[in-house]
Amino acid sequence: AQSVTQLGSHVSVSEGALVLLRCNYSSSVPPYLFWYVQYPNQGLQLLLKYTSAATLVKGINGFEAEFKKSETSFHLTKPSAHMSDAAEYFCAVSVGRDDKIIFGKGTRLHILP
Amino acid sequence: GAVVSQHPSWVICKSGTSVKIECRSLDFQATTMFWYRQFPKQSLMLMATSNEGSKATYEQGVEKDKFLINHASLTLSTLTVTSAHPEDSSFYICSAREQGYNGYTFGSGTRLTVV
Repeated sequence: AQSVTQLGSHVSVSEGALVLLRCNYSSSVPPYLFWYVQYPNQGLQLLLKYTSAATLVKGINGFEAEFKKSETSFHLTKPSAHMSDAAEYFCAVSVGRDDKIIFGKGTRLHILP
Repeated sequence: GAVVSQHPSWVICKSGTSVKIECRSLDFQATTMFWYRQFPKQSLMLMATSNEGSKATYEQGVEKDKFLINHASLTLSTLTVTSAHPEDSSFYICSAREQGYNGYTFGSGTRLTVV
C-alpha cells in the first residue's frame, strides 16, 4: 500500500529564508504526488502535483517540488519565505487517476519575523 | 476552477442526535467523493469513498452504520453522523473528483462539536 512520510512536524524559518519541507513516499507503482496547504479551520488548497510528467513541478505562491525516484522523495521548497506562508502543509499520494488519496501527518510551517 | 461547497461550516449538536453534512460540486460532476476526518493538530484520515449511485466503501475501522454516506447524484454527497457522541467531535472534510481528471477538490470542512 502507498504511504507518505513527512519529516518534521514543525519547521521554523525566518522571513525571506529558504523553505524546505520534506516528504518521502512509498509506492509499488508510479505514484501521483501532491502538496496541499491548510490554514486554520479551513479546507485544503492544492499547491502542486506530480503526475509523471516533468520531475520539477512548479506550483502556486512560489512553491515548487522535485520528484526524485531514486530517493523516493518529493520535497517542497520556496526560495524566500513570507509571513503568509505560515500554515499546515500536507504531502499526499495516490497510485492512479481513480484512486483514493492518502495524506502524510503534516508539517506546520512557522515563519519568524 | 472546480469548486466544492461544504455545509454547514460548523455545527453543535447534543449527544444522541444525528447530524448531516453536505458536500456539493458546484461546476462539475463528481463521480467520486471522499470523506475525511481530522482531529486537532493531526492529519486527514480517509473515512470512505463514495461513487455516484453505489454504496460507499469504508476504510478499515470506520463504522458504516454510524457514518452514513449517500451519493445520490453527481453533484451531491452527504455524510450523516448518527447518534453522535462527544468522541465524534472533529473536523470533517469532503473531497470530490471529476471523472478522468487526476485532481481532487476539497470542501472547506465542517467543525462538528457534540455536547
